[in-house]
Amino acid sequence: QKEVEQDPGPLSVPEGAIVSLNCTYSNSAFQYFMWYRQYSRKGPELLMYTYSSGNKEDGRFTAQVDKSSKYISLFIRDSQPSDSATYLCAMTAGSARQLTFGSGTQLTVLP
Amino acid sequence: DSGVTQTPKHLITATGQRVTLRCSPRSGDLSVYWYQQSLDQGLQFLIQYYNGEERAKGNILERFSAQQFPDLHSELNLSSLELGDSALYFCASSPTAVGDTIYFGEGSWLTVV
Repeated sequence: QKEVEQDPGPLSVPEGAIVSLNCTYSNSAFQYFMWYRQYSRKGPELLMYTYSSGNKEDGRFTAQVDKSSKYISLFIRDSQPSDSATYLCAMTAGSARQLTFGSGTQLTVLP
Repeated sequence: DSGVTQTPKHLITATGQRVTLRCSPRSGDLSVYWYQQSLDQGLQFLIQYYNGEERAKGNILERFSAQQFPDLHSELNLSSLELGDSALYFCASSPTAVGDTIYFGEGSWLTVV
């Protein structure tokens, strides 16, 4: 079993829709949680970073962490065609240095 | 632009050859990470350096080696290349050693023929 599981999609939504992207994890030592956006094999771009359970909002993006359920989500409101990309969840334990990534969810927002 | 610079962007080489990938971290960042991304394996952590010293090692093959220089730039050396080494190699940097906020470069696309 992988430490981080992410629905690979692909996910296709109409412009303006609310998008929900999810990851589950098995390692209870994970403390820091991130979401990255990657356009067609470009470098992953850090979107959101959080370390506590609850919600963190940044513009149209909301990151949600539920440590008791080992579940994290990224919500995108008012989705735009420019949001079309692969979204990667990533996490790390406090004492570890490297990130453990999910496999990525490919999102297409249709105009 | 993340501020992490990688060269070369694209590289085609033959099996058995050796290549060097170069990375300049963001200004002020002391940690440098190397990741490999292939179609079937996703993003895999290879190795981390912090202020010139190796801090963590992941799934890095013995044919691969890395170092971080006093000016904090890093190089990833890949030798005895095989077809399966074809992948995107990303460098990333962060200000601390604990890997909480990591910023990636645009990658070096290696094709082994």
